[in-house]
Amino acid sequence: AQTVTQSQPEMSVQEAETVTLSCTYDTSESDYYLFWYKQPPSRQMILVIRQEAYKQQNATENRFSVNFQKAAKSFSLKISDSQLGDAAMYFCAYRSAKRRALGNTDKLIFGTGTRLQVFP
Amino acid sequence: NAGVTQTPKFQVLKTGQSMTLQCAQDMNHEYMSWYRQDPGMGLRLIHYSVGAGITDQGEVPNGYNVSRSTTEDFPLRLLSAAPSQTSVYFCASRIRSTSSGNTIYFGEGSWLTVV
Repeated sequence: AQTVTQSQPEMSVQEAETVTLSCTYDTSESDYYLFWYKQPPSRQMILVIRQEAYKQQNATENRFSVNFQKAAKSFSLKISDSQLGDAAMYFCAYRSAKRRALGNTDKLIFGTGTRLQVFP
Repeated sequence: NAGVTQTPKFQVLKTGQSMTLQCAQDMNHEYMSWYRQDPGMGLRLIHYSVGAGITDQGEVPNGYNVSRSTTEDFPLRLLSAAPSQTSVYFCASRIRSTSSGNTIYFGEGSWLTVV
């Protein structure tokens, strides 16, 4: 079974600085998707960035980028030029790319989250 | 563009009562699912559907029932509420295509308290 681990329950960063959130995962599959979701106090789940495992190039979305190390099963999120609005819980998630006919339940597997605080 | 809409946002139930959490999406997504989030944890899959008339169990299905009569709607029924079902419930959807549609979009959540 696949697992996702976020070893940092809490992180803090100064406004305008850079912070990196860690995520590791365990899987025997070769094809899958990885996501970072942001959950502000409103509890809404907001997609930050996604990565397809078959792509070697790291995904970027404006101030957000990932460091995807497939062999090490690592998927860290870097937030540059941190803003007060970035303060939230961040969840790393894994989803198999296996077809449903082969047993895929279309399940997103989440880590336990990292609470990011941003100080002015 | 409404996206994924859940109702109600907040609900208090007594133990043993039944209720239905509604979920609708207007993006013509084939895949829909229900997750629950308990304190200090990520989301866990309850039930999911890959299209109208097709549903299947996720990781924590006990105590919940679903049906999918239309592409747009995927209601979650609590048959006999228990305090252990106090949680935040999220409905989600995604397109079936394997191109850019691998992202799962979430509703805003429904806060359920069972007393």
